[in-house]
Amino acid sequence: NAGVTQTPKFQVLKTGQSMTLQCAQDMNHEYMSWYRQDPGMGLRLIHYSVGAGITDQGEVPNGYNVSRSTTEDFPLRLLSAAPSQTSVYFCASRTSGAPTDTQYFGPGTRLTVL
Amino acid sequence: GQQVMQIPQYQHVQEGEDFTTYCNSSTTLSNIQWYKQRPGGHPVFLIQLVKSGEVKKQKRLTFQFGEAKKNSSLHITATQTTDVGTYFCAGRYGNKLVFGAGTILRVKS
Repeated sequence: NAGVTQTPKFQVLKTGQSMTLQCAQDMNHEYMSWYRQDPGMGLRLIHYSVGAGITDQGEVPNGYNVSRSTTEDFPLRLLSAAPSQTSVYFCASRTSGAPTDTQYFGPGTRLTVL
Repeated sequence: GQQVMQIPQYQHVQEGEDFTTYCNSSTTLSNIQWYKQRPGGHPVFLIQLVKSGEVKKQKRLTFQFGEAKKNSSLHITATQTTDVGTYFCAGRYGNKLVFGAGTILRVKS
């Protein structure tokens, strides 16, 4: 199993550009989520999904869209990038209903918005 | 909204010294998880605590969950250079996992 994969690893955007961060998992996990990590602020939840076709907002959803058409994929879209969105983005997945709901993280995408 | 406060923000210790990081929630948690992130890496799951007053050990690491299920701690005995990184707690509120800000551990050899 590859686990949780994310592409790209690095990305530089100009203000106003749009892009999609890709996330995929091959563990058949129902639950997937996106976090952003900024210095001194830990990991903040952007959006999450409890299954295909179901998404919900986390702590910091503004400026980001998600969709979940399949169990495996959970892309994160930035419609109009802003410098405040410069961050490291992590995708994560976990099973639901298991005794230990271990969350597995992808390697991250480092995004810079100029 | 739900918040998990974690202290200290940084800790520099001499190799062989002990280290502790603390997490506190204003509301009762379903469970609490601990993660470690090495510099440049991604968070890696360490452990989950579910029961009130639960204590779990992993070699030199001891994890505790408070009686009220609102606070937790991670204690490392006799730190080693391999312990460096950021340690996060994460509290579960329903479907959401809310992370503390993390404690950065540096170990001087």
